[in-house]
Amino acid sequence: EVQLVESGGGLVRPGESLRLSCAASGFTFRNAWMSWVRQAPGKGLEWIGRIKSESDGGTTDYAAPVKGRFTVSRRDSKNTLYLQMNSLKTEDTAIYFCTTDALYFDFTGLFDYWGQGALVTVSS
Amino acid sequence: EIVLTQSPATLSLSLGERATLSCRASQSISASLAWYQQKPGQAPRLLIYDASNRATGIPARFSGSGSGTDFTLTISSLEPEDFAVYYCQQRYSWPSFGQGTRLEIK
Repeated sequence: EVQLVESGGGLVRPGESLRLSCAASGFTFRNAWMSWVRQAPGKGLEWIGRIKSESDGGTTDYAAPVKGRFTVSRRDSKNTLYLQMNSLKTEDTAIYFCTTDALYFDFTGLFDYWGQGALVTVSS
Repeated sequence: EIVLTQSPATLSLSLGERATLSCRASQSISASLAWYQQKPGQAPRLLIYDASNRATGIPARFSGSGSGTDFTLTISSLEPEDFAVYYCQQRYSWPSFGQGTRLEIK
C-alpha cells in the first residue's frame, strides 16, 4: 500500500524558512517522480514543484509563485522527499501535500497518491 | 499558463440524482485532464485520468468525457459519500487545477 506522510509544518514569521519532509513507503521511491501541491485555507489546489527520479536526471521544476524561494529535493536512501521553503510570505500559508507523479503510468503530471498534508502558517 | 474554469461553482442535488460537472480549458489540452474528489479534512483522491479512464478502485457510477477544451464528469446516481468538492486538473502543460465544484445535498 502506498503511503506518504508529511511532517515539519508549523507557524513561522514572514521571511523565515521551513523544511517539510515526506516519508514514502509501499512503492519503489527511487524510481518515482514526486510533486508538492498546496491548498490555501478554503481555496483550491496549486501545484508548486516536482522532482524527477535520479535515473531520469533528478531535475526539478517549479511554479512561478515559488521559483527561487522553494527547493524540492529527495534522499532515496531514506525514501524521503523534502520541500525547503525560504523567504516565506503570508500568501504561502497553506496545507502542503506530497504526491506521487503518475506512479504507475508512462506519462507525468498526474497526482495519483497523496499524503495527508502538512499545515504551514506564515504570520507575524 | 492553461486556465481551467469549472462550472457550476456549487451544485445542489438529491441522493440518486445524476450529477454533471463541467471543466473548460483556456486552450486545447487534448485528453490530458484528470478529476479529483476532496472531502473536508482529507487529501484529494484521483477519480479519472486522461479524460475518461477511471482510477483504480473508483466506482463505475463515475465517468468522464471530453477532449480539446470541454470536459465533463458525470456521477450517474448520487450516493451519500459523493457529496464533496471536485477539481479538474490538466497535465498538457505545467499542471494546473480548476477552482472546484462543490457538490452538496439538496
